[in-house]
Amino acid sequence: AQSVAQPEDQVNVAEGNPLTVKCTYSVSGNPYLFWYVQYPNRGLQFLLKYITGDNLVKGSYGFEAEFNKSQTSFHLKKPSALVSDSALYFCAVRDGAYNFNKFYFGSGTKLNVKP
Amino acid sequence: DAGVTQSPTHLIKTRGQQVTLRCSPKSGHDTVSWYQQALGQGPQFIFQYYEEEERQRGNFPDRFSGHQFPNYSSELNVNALLLGDSALYLCASSTPRSSYGYTFGSGTRLTVV
Repeated sequence: AQSVAQPEDQVNVAEGNPLTVKCTYSVSGNPYLFWYVQYPNRGLQFLLKYITGDNLVKGSYGFEAEFNKSQTSFHLKKPSALVSDSALYFCAVRDGAYNFNKFYFGSGTKLNVKP
Repeated sequence: DAGVTQSPTHLIKTRGQQVTLRCSPKSGHDTVSWYQQALGQGPQFIFQYYEEEERQRGNFPDRFSGHQFPNYSSELNVNALLLGDSALYLCASSTPRSSYGYTFGSGTRLTVV
């Protein structure tokens, strides 16, 4: 069975500091990993994905994620946080290569960036 | 180019009633998936429609049903509403053979009282 875990309910960082939002996964087969962001009263917005290739994936709004197969992790990172990055972040794994495969989402991590 | 459109945005229903939620996919997308997001939780897969047929289903009871129309729009129906059905219902559209992720709508907030 596929699953993801986001061990932190909340992450607090100061504006300008680097941020990391953690995600670990459990899959049978190749992992297809995603990060989405959700702003209040909005749907989820795609940030980035790992399908294959380089372990460091670059995405929207300056975010990147590092795929680590040995640690089964896919942590989201940003070198310098902005107050506008404050939102709810979801890690997700898909149980196959294509969109007809199901997504499994983590429970979410609330990111608070303070001025 | 419109993204995924869901209606209504908010809805209040009484236990035992039935509800229908609607979704118009992003232009060029032909697959619609529905997710339930309870407060403080991540989205949970309900089902997926492609070519007007339910292709996959998550762990939801038969009270949850759906439909896809020839124009690719979709409806989610929930019968015999329970308090626990209160959640944000998200529609996501895609093309099935794409390796990219979904495009999500803003959701319908359903409150069952």
